[in-house]
Amino acid sequence: ETGVTQTPRHLVMGMTNKKSLKCEQHLGHNAMYWYKQSAKKPLELMFVYSLEERVENNSVPSRFSPECPNSSHLFLHLHTLQPEDSALYLCASSLDKMLDTQYFGPGTRLTVL
Amino acid sequence: QKEVEQNSGPLSVPEGAIASLNCTYSDRGSQSFFWYRQYSGKSPELIMFIYSNGDKEDGRFTAQLNKASQYVSLLIRDSQPSDSATYLCAVGAPGYSTLTFGKGTMLLVSP
Repeated sequence: ETGVTQTPRHLVMGMTNKKSLKCEQHLGHNAMYWYKQSAKKPLELMFVYSLEERVENNSVPSRFSPECPNSSHLFLHLHTLQPEDSALYLCASSLDKMLDTQYFGPGTRLTVL
Repeated sequence: QKEVEQNSGPLSVPEGAIASLNCTYSDRGSQSFFWYRQYSGKSPELIMFIYSNGDKEDGRFTAQLNKASQYVSLLIRDSQPSDSATYLCAVGAPGYSTLTFGKGTMLLVSP
């Protein structure tokens, strides 16, 4: 399998649930990203990892918890979410974090009831 | 604070026409420039990148960069209805941890 993959593609969860989103990149990249995209809104950067170290956290609520166990895998752990957290969550990767092309996964469509 | 500005549109063009999408950026030190296409409900996909002043062509797409004016554009020749999407401009600059994306311009190509 090539490129950037994300699972699950769709997720419906209640506000008291705990779930995790998974991202895997097969491109040999060193940087990985989580973005949130709400309906008819621009991309919002959530987290940036470079060589498995978190380098940016854009004031994201603590109910979102990222994890990067190695340079190929990125997780977003979710707990006690709110309905306004319903969105498309996109993972991306790039060779380096500053100037390089970012390649996006297909996204996880999250609905919080 | 680095900013990337795009007209939200929609930009409407007839099939076969040239669509011109524009983007301005605030950081004069920016060095890399990208255009992504995003269909509704899908993830962004890379169309082109450009690093040097001037034009870069790839099939029906031409990216134009003018660093003095801090302006980058995307021209789509012979526009097709399948080109209807939101086009995102992204800019990279040293000292920032990642690319900065504009809000995107919606393009509508009518048959």
